[in-house]
Amino acid sequence: GAGVSQTPSNKVTEKGKYVELRCDPISGHTALYWYRQSLGQGPEFLIYFQGTGAADDSGLPNDRFFAVRPEGSVSTLKIQRTERGDSAVYLCASSFDGRAGELFFGEGSRLTVL
Amino acid sequence: AQKITQTQPGMFVQEKEAVTLDCTYDTSDPSYGLFWYKQPSSGEMIFLIYQGSYDQQNATEGRYSLNFQKARKSANLVISASQLGDSAMYFCAMREGDGGSNYKLTFGKGTLLTVNP
Repeated sequence: GAGVSQTPSNKVTEKGKYVELRCDPISGHTALYWYRQSLGQGPEFLIYFQGTGAADDSGLPNDRFFAVRPEGSVSTLKIQRTERGDSAVYLCASSFDGRAGELFFGEGSRLTVL
Repeated sequence: AQKITQTQPGMFVQEKEAVTLDCTYDTSDPSYGLFWYKQPSSGEMIFLIYQGSYDQQNATEGRYSLNFQKARKSANLVISASQLGDSAMYFCAMREGDGGSNYKLTFGKGTLLTVNP
C-alpha cells in the first residue's frame, strides 16, 4: 500500500515482557516520527528520525524505550520490561522532510500491558 | 500552561449544517504552524488543514476552513455542510519555530464530533 504501515495493529502482553512495534513509512519519506496516544488524550511526541539517525529522542519517557531505523526506512520501537502504564496506541508518521509539514500517520499499534 | 487547548470534549451537529471546533494555542515564538487532524474510529490521523503564523489569509481546503485570529491566539476549524462521515475525533496541533524543533507537533486533547442524520 501507499500509506504508513504499522504492525502489529494490536498487541497484548504481560507486565515485564519485551515488545517491538514496527513502522514502514511512505517510500521516499526521510523523516519518521513516533507518537504515543493514551486514552482520551492527543498524541504525544516520542522520537524523530531524519534518515537513519534519531535527531530528537527527548520524548521517550525513560530508558526502557528505544527506537531504531537502521536503513533509513523501516523503524522499530522497542519497549523493555513493559509496565501497565505503557498501555496506549503508538502512532508512527512520516513526512517528506523534517519540517512537520503534512505528516502522514499510520493506524497505530494498540499496546495493552496486563 | 497547555500549549493547545480544545475546550469542547464533544460536539453535535445536524447533517448539512456547519460546525465550529474551537482551538486556542499558547506560544511566544513568532513563527509557528497550526494544524487540524481528523481521527476516525480506525485510528489513523488524517491531515485536514494548515495555517502558518505569517499567512495573511485564512486557510481553506474544500469544506474545511480555519478561522485564524492571531491576536486572540485562536485557530478554530469550521466544517461546512456536515456529512455523516465527518463523525470523528478532531485534533488541533501546533509546530513551533522555524529552526531546531520545527518537526515536533504538540496536540490538544481533541473534540469528538457527532453528525446526526
